Amino acid sequence: SAVISQKPSRDICQRGTSLTIQCQVDSQVTMMFWYRQQPGQSLTLIATANQGSEATYESGFVIDKFPISRPNLTFSTLTVSNMSPEDSSIYLCSVEKKNIQYFGAGTRLSVL
Amino acid sequence: QKEVEQNSGPLSVPEGAIASLNCTYSDRGSQSFFWYRQYSGKSPELIMFIYSNGDKEDGRFTAQLNKASQYVSLLIRDSQPSDSATYLCAVNKGGAQKLVFGQGTRLTINP
Repeated sequence: SAVISQKPSRDICQRGTSLTIQCQVDSQVTMMFWYRQQPGQSLTLIATANQGSEATYESGFVIDKFPISRPNLTFSTLTVSNMSPEDSSIYLCSVEKKNIQYFGAGTRLSVL
Repeated sequence: QKEVEQNSGPLSVPEGAIASLNCTYSDRGSQSFFWYRQYSGKSPELIMFIYSNGDKEDGRFTAQLNKASQYVSLLIRDSQPSDSATYLCAVNKGGAQKLVFGQGTRLTINP
């Protein structure tokens, strides 16, 4: 398995600001993923982050809104930029080890 | 058609009975299938994974896969109140490593 630390666990932000979410894993992994879970909904993949290359974004998600960094094999960040109330959601990072994805505890974001 | 479909529930099952959760998927190239359990306010945790047609058992849990029918299910035997949660079916997309999730089935076990 994997031990994943995600920070912050929750935040309340003002409209128009940006928030950077950090994800740290206890061992080196090739693939890290960022998901969004809107209230009462399932998980939607935002992007896949591989070390040494640009993140690959899913349809409906763009780099200007959700820039991602992956500086090494144990760490990644997701920034939610120019936030609006529609960005209120839970953001989850996950890592893939031996074809299994493990999830961090998530960041609960509220935008006022 | 959604890529991964589940009945959203809620599904209510008496304690000690068998809970049956179902999932269908649209991509015939999918090769890996997962069941995650998510308690309210928590992140998903892996319950079972299955790659081959047939049944796979782990304790009280059995995953069933039928690739011809594009159908995967999860059976929970001797259901306990602690099994009350949302169960998410996830399928890898086109053989790639990224997952597509169903909308989840909310399961309630009644004492």
